Amino acid sequence: AQTVTQSQPEMSVQEAETVTLSCTYDTSESDYYLFWYKQPPSRQMILVIRQEAYKQQNATENRFSVNFQKAAKSFSLKISDSQLGDAAMYFCAYRSGINDYKLSFGAGTTVTVRA
Amino acid sequence: DTGVSQNPRHKITKRGQNVTFRCDPISEHNRLYWYRQTLGQGPEFLTYFQNEAQLEKSRLLSDRFSAERPKGSFSTLEIQRTEQGDSAMYLCASSRTSENSPLHFGNGTRLTVT
Repeated sequence: AQTVTQSQPEMSVQEAETVTLSCTYDTSESDYYLFWYKQPPSRQMILVIRQEAYKQQNATENRFSVNFQKAAKSFSLKISDSQLGDAAMYFCAYRSGINDYKLSFGAGTTVTVRA
Repeated sequence: DTGVSQNPRHKITKRGQNVTFRCDPISEHNRLYWYRQTLGQGPEFLTYFQNEAQLEKSRLLSDRFSAERPKGSFSTLEIQRTEQGDSAMYLCASSRTSENSPLHFGNGTRLTVT
């Protein structure tokens, strides 16, 4: 079974600054997908960014980017120019390329944005 | 795209009672998933449907839990003889079958067993 570890329960960032959330995972597979999901308080979980393991280029979506280190099994999320609306719980998730129906989530990191 | 809809949003029940939750996925999505999320944790996979077929159930899903998707559209999750440990947020998600299709989550049903 794949495990996803988020070692930072909470992170705080000043508005307009940058914050990086860490995520490591354990797998013996070579084909898989990685995701970051955002869950604002009392609101639904939404996809922030995704990365295919076969792609060397790091994914970027506007102010969100990842640092994917396949050999180290690391998948960090960088939020640039942080905004108040970025405050949420962020989950890192792994999806096998074989059994591609199941997401395995980390425990989450709560991001607080200071005005 | 009207999104994934879950009802009810909140459910409070007494231990031993049965409860049923409903999920309406995005209409063109043929995959439907149920997850359970406890406070401060990430969601845990419970079960998954491809159209009307339930293809996998987690060991987390005891015999008291049953899920159906009779016509390949909406799904129900029933918990019989609820226990306090069943208190959690129950999340439904849906997706297309195509490779790397992302999951779209509903707002969840928060269950409190007293």
